[in-house]
Amino acid sequence: NAGVMQNPRHLVRRRGQEARLRCSPMKGHSHVYWYRQLPEEGLKFMVYLQKENIIDESGMPKERFSAEFPKEGPSILRIQQVVRGDSAAYFCASSPGLGGEQYFGPGTRLTVT
Amino acid sequence: GQQLNQSPQSMFIQEGEDVSMNCTSSSIFNTWLWYKQDPGEGPVLLIALYKAGELTSNGRLTAQFGITRKDSFLNISASIPSDVGIYFCAGFYTGANSKLTFGKGITLSVRP
Repeated sequence: NAGVMQNPRHLVRRRGQEARLRCSPMKGHSHVYWYRQLPEEGLKFMVYLQKENIIDESGMPKERFSAEFPKEGPSILRIQQVVRGDSAAYFCASSPGLGGEQYFGPGTRLTVT
Repeated sequence: GQQLNQSPQSMFIQEGEDVSMNCTSSSIFNTWLWYKQDPGEGPVLLIALYKAGELTSNGRLTAQFGITRKDSFLNISASIPSDVGIYFCAGFYTGANSKLTFGKGITLSVRP
């Protein structure tokens, strides 16, 4: 049973470019969460999605950031016009239902130059 | 907003020793989770707690859900070098703003 998969593992973008981060949840999990982690910090919630629906995006910046979880295919976290401050590790987690255990992927490390 | 406090930021122990980590919150949670993160990897779930007072073990790890629902502890017995890593507590409350809140983590070092 494959775990949560994220790609790419490392992503380098120049300021102003777009970053697309992908997440495939564990088989049977329909709830996906995105988190951001800065060095020596805990994980900060960004957005919670179920298939085709954004349930809670209260942790996501209002501008330049968007997320989707289409009916088919992985969940995508999209960052437009990246800035240096967007450099961080972005983790995706999935769960079979709300309020239960969340299982994390290996993360995507975004570096903005 | 909800906050979880983990301290100290770092702990140094000798191989074979037991270690206990505490996590406290300003508000109550329905679920407590403990994760371990290795450098360059994602957090790995160690133990999940769903009921106040619950005590759960996973090998050398034992965790408890505090009676007040505002705290939890994780105990590692007979530490080994591969226990090195960052240990995060996380809490979840099923409500209007259901989301997992993480502590800042404790970095554990084990001296051989």
